[in-house]
Amino acid sequence: RKEVEQDPGPFNVPEGATVAFNCTYSNSASQSFFWYRQDCRKEPKLLMSVYSSGNEDGRFTAQLNRASQYISLLIRDSKLSDSATYLCVVNIANAGNMLTFGGGTRLMVKP
Amino acid sequence: DGGITQSPKYLFRKEGQNVTLSCEQNLNHDAMYWYRQDPGQGLRLIYYSQIVNDFQKGDIAEGYSVSREKKESFPLTVTSAQKNPTAFYLCASSPRAVEAFFGQGTRLTVV
Repeated sequence: RKEVEQDPGPFNVPEGATVAFNCTYSNSASQSFFWYRQDCRKEPKLLMSVYSSGNEDGRFTAQLNRASQYISLLIRDSKLSDSATYLCVVNIANAGNMLTFGGGTRLMVKP
Repeated sequence: DGGITQSPKYLFRKEGQNVTLSCEQNLNHDAMYWYRQDPGQGLRLIYYSQIVNDFQKGDIAEGYSVSREKKESFPLTVTSAQKNPTAFYLCASSPRAVEAFFGQGTRLTVV
């Protein structure tokens, strides 16, 4: 079983739709959680950190469920420019603070 | 400007040659990472280093080597033992337990 798992998609949604991605992690010692966005042939860039209490940044909401060991990303009112691959990243404290990436979920927002 | 720089952006290698990819950061980060990404796939960890003169193998270290003689630099050598080196290589750095910052990547092609 992979340490960090994501549905690869693609998720094809119309503009204006709400879409949600989940990411599960297997190591209960995981300490920090992030969502990254990666555009085609570019480097990943931080979208948002995920806090225990959940956090929101504009149209994006991230949630953490430690009991079930998953994090989620909700995108409201999808824009064409949201089309990208979304990577879930977990920092495992007892593995030397190593960052472990999920395989990514591809989102395609269509007109 | 602070940041992480990878060079070259594009690299062509003949079969049987070793090549070295450069990664330099001036963010004063302790941790540095090398990832490989194949088309349509997620990031796979090659090597990582938490401090100078120390590094650990990731999931796909075979055929690669690294050094960490300076905090700012973490070069990756793709050796002739790596049988399928054509890929997108990403270097990242991070302060402990927090987000990673990526370079723009190096596209390596075997010709």
